[in-house]
Amino acid sequence: EIVLTQSPGTLSLSPGERATLSCRASQSVSSSYLAWYQQKAGQAPRLLIYGASRRATGIPDRFSGSGSGTDFTLTISRLEPEDFALYYCQQYGHSPGTFGQGTKVEIK
Amino acid sequence: EVQLLESGGGLIQPGGSLRLSCAASGFTFTSSAMSWVRQAPGKGLQWVSTILGSGGNTYYADSVKGRFTISRDNSKHTLYLQMDSLRAEDTAVYYCAKVVITMLRGAMPFYYFDYWGQGTLVTVSS
Repeated sequence: EIVLTQSPGTLSLSPGERATLSCRASQSVSSSYLAWYQQKAGQAPRLLIYGASRRATGIPDRFSGSGSGTDFTLTISRLEPEDFALYYCQQYGHSPGTFGQGTKVEIK
Repeated sequence: EVQLLESGGGLIQPGGSLRLSCAASGFTFTSSAMSWVRQAPGKGLQWVSTILGSGGNTYYADSVKGRFTISRDNSKHTLYLQMDSLRAEDTAVYYCAKVVITMLRGAMPFYYFDYWGQGTLVTVSS
């Protein structure tokens, strides 16, 4: 089973700043099969990115994904108030698919 | 608009059984694989089980294999999770999620989740 380690655990930033979230896999993720999800308090997760870099339907272009192999990054170019939330990565190139433990983006 | 509405959660004693339901609308349910994903209080996400559109192939996390059964009724556009022999560690919010399969390797699908329901809370406690 692939273990995903997300860092940092918490990111404290101000609106308008750039956020860079990391997701590192314990082994190479096939075909960049990596997704990112956003979860706000008391809500269900929402798909942001799949295939490491493809934005899901309706996701603003301030969200971007990059990376391959074992190192992946989610970047939020300019934080909006609604972006402060929990973010999870998920690999689906190996069975079973697994999630990272999450990164919380909080208001500084 | 895709909608997934879970129901059936509640408080149950260890060793008990519970059946969760997920009513789906807004997409072609019969051809869509579906999953259950859970989240223990204050914890991260854990995949539980997946069923393909036909209902013929099912997959389970090791932690629930032999205790949980996923099924679907395509005529009712409804997904189910029968949970038996429940344990305290099964306490979680259970989400129903629509699956996007990107690859099939043999009979094994590889996928992510493009829509999620709001979840239903299952609490296993005496």
